Amino acid sequence: GAGVSQSPSNKVTEKGKDVELRCDPISGHTALYWYRQRLGQGLEFLIYFQGNSAPDKSGLPSDRFSAERTGESVSTLTIQRTQQEDSAVYLCASSLGTGDEQYFGPGTRLTVT
Amino acid sequence: AQKITQTQPGMFVQEKEAVTLDCTYDTSDQSYGLFWYKQPSSGEMIFLIYQGSYDEQNATEGRYSLNFQKARKSANLVISASQLGDSAMYFCAMRGDGSSNTGKLIFGQGTTLQVKP
Repeated sequence: GAGVSQSPSNKVTEKGKDVELRCDPISGHTALYWYRQRLGQGLEFLIYFQGNSAPDKSGLPSDRFSAERTGESVSTLTIQRTQQEDSAVYLCASSLGTGDEQYFGPGTRLTVT
Repeated sequence: AQKITQTQPGMFVQEKEAVTLDCTYDTSDQSYGLFWYKQPSSGEMIFLIYQGSYDEQNATEGRYSLNFQKARKSANLVISASQLGDSAMYFCAMRGDGSSNTGKLIFGQGTTLQVKP
């Protein structure tokens, strides 16, 4: 079956512009996670969705970051007024339920110039 | 707060030899899970092995084994019979498994492993 997909795979944007990153989880997976990975670093948790429950936004670094997910489908991560420090790979993962193995997508490499 | 520490930024190992990648953790949760992921230069995150905090036996998956020492709060990854394809970044991660936890993973900084022919 299809894995987690993310688009675009690469995004170059100018400082101050807004960007939208997309994640398609594995069909039937109720839990969805966004992580950020700066160059040479580990992954940092950003946000978690589980079904129709309120998302856990505790990892979002600033109010310029937001994310949405409709039901158990696609999620979008939006970064407004991008800054150079936002340059990173943004990884999405989904799992059957909370606590189950997370399957990662290939990531979106964001470069802010 | 939960924390994962990987103290080895880079490691070298000769092909066919075994190597141990270190991981220590800190948590106040009674129930938690420990994971190892491999990240090749292509960037994908590949799940390798999982250890639950209440598991009495060390986890094994093929050439991978997890040396779990709960009292020392360590969860080292042992790779036996290293292969050239094992060259990658390796991440240790933890998930709190209490009722209030969301399943999010806390990652260490990673260890870059290079296997020499």
